[in-house]
Amino acid sequence: RKEVEQDPGPFNVPEGATVAFNCTYSNSASQSFFWYRQDCRKEPKLLMSVYSSGNEDGRFTAQLNRASQYISLLIRDSKLSDSATYLCVVRGSSYKLIFGSGTRLLVRP
Amino acid sequence: EAGVTQSPTHLIKTRGQQATLRCSPISGHTSVYWYQQALGLGLQFLLWYDEGEERNRGNFPPRFSGRQFPNYSSELNVNALELEDSALYLCASSPGQVGDQPQHFGDGTRLSIL
Repeated sequence: RKEVEQDPGPFNVPEGATVAFNCTYSNSASQSFFWYRQDCRKEPKLLMSVYSSGNEDGRFTAQLNRASQYISLLIRDSKLSDSATYLCVVRGSSYKLIFGSGTRLLVRP
Repeated sequence: EAGVTQSPTHLIKTRGQQATLRCSPISGHTSVYWYQQALGLGLQFLLWYDEGEERNRGNFPPRFSGRQFPNYSSELNVNALELEDSALYLCASSPGQVGDQPQHFGDGTRLSIL
């Protein structure tokens, strides 16, 4: 079983749609959680950290469920520029990041 | 503030050769991480350096090695290159073992093995 699992997609949605991505992780000792965004042939960029209480940044909302070892990302009012691969990232006690293989999002006009 | 910088942008080698990739972290960051992203695969953790020491290593053979210099910049060396080493190599930095700090990535070095 992979340490971090994501649905690879692609999720193909119209502009303005709301889309949700899920991610599960296997190590219950994981301490920090992030969502990164990666555009085609570009480096990953931090989108947001994920906190136990849930957090929101504009159109983006992240949730963490430690009991179920589950992380989610909700994108409201999708824009064409949101098209990218979204990487679920988990950090354990050793400070190294474990990346999911990513979920691809395509937003169409 | 300058971000993480990596050089070269592209590197073309042949099987059996050696490759050296370089990374300069964000000013003030003491931790440097190396990742490999092969085509169609996710990012795989390679190495982590902090304060000049190797802190952790991913599941890669010993021909992948590196070091961190006193100015916190880092080199990744890959010896006896194989075709499957063709990938994007990403360097990231963070302020070190200080709380819950995310990592910031450079643009990467694309290594092609012919």
